[in-house]
Amino acid sequence: EAGVAQSPRYKIIEKRQSVAFWCNPISGHATLYWYQQILGQGPKLLIQFQNNGVVDDSQLPKDRFSAERLKGVDSTLKIQPAKLEDSAVYLCASSLFFQGSSGNTIYFGEGSWLTVV
Amino acid sequence: QKEVEQNSGPLSVPEGAIASLNCTYSDRGSQSFFWYRQYSGKSPELIMFIYSNGDKEDGRFTAQLNKASQYVSLLIRDSQPSDSATYLCAVSGNTPLVFGKGTRLSVIA
Repeated sequence: EAGVAQSPRYKIIEKRQSVAFWCNPISGHATLYWYQQILGQGPKLLIQFQNNGVVDDSQLPKDRFSAERLKGVDSTLKIQPAKLEDSAVYLCASSLFFQGSSGNTIYFGEGSWLTVV
Repeated sequence: QKEVEQNSGPLSVPEGAIASLNCTYSDRGSQSFFWYRQYSGKSPELIMFIYSNGDKEDGRFTAQLNKASQYVSLLIRDSQPSDSATYLCAVSGNTPLVFGKGTRLSVIA
């Protein structure tokens, strides 16, 4: 079974530039998540999709971050304009069921490493 | 604000010893508890989940949950150098998964 695919793996941009990350979840997984992990911290949820609808985006900095999941499969996370503090790993994850459901396992992709200089 | 607290470590144990990793959480409504392992430069991978009070064993790993004390732990028996990683505790209810900052474990050969 193919895992969660993410690209690009690494990106270096200057502050105020824009960047986009792409994610393809495990086939059949209805729930897709974007997490931000800053060095030395645990992952922090940015946005959660159930199919193509947003379930939770309370921690997404909406003035600069946006995300979409067209057709309920692939997803794109965009940052514009980037700030130095956005340097982090952006982890996409997916699960078969809605988070919190008994037996629901969340699978992570390898992450997209962003450095803002 | 729901919080998950872990000692950042590093926790150093000799090879073959038992490593004990602890986690406390603030939301009494939490229902699901997970332990993820994260190697340096890699993404988190699920080791175990537990939903009920008590112990759950899987190979060398044992997860322990005490909802009254809002406490979750992970025991690793016969620790190996390959177990050296950061261990993330994660908690959820009908709310998004919240992660702790992780405990860095170092198993010394």
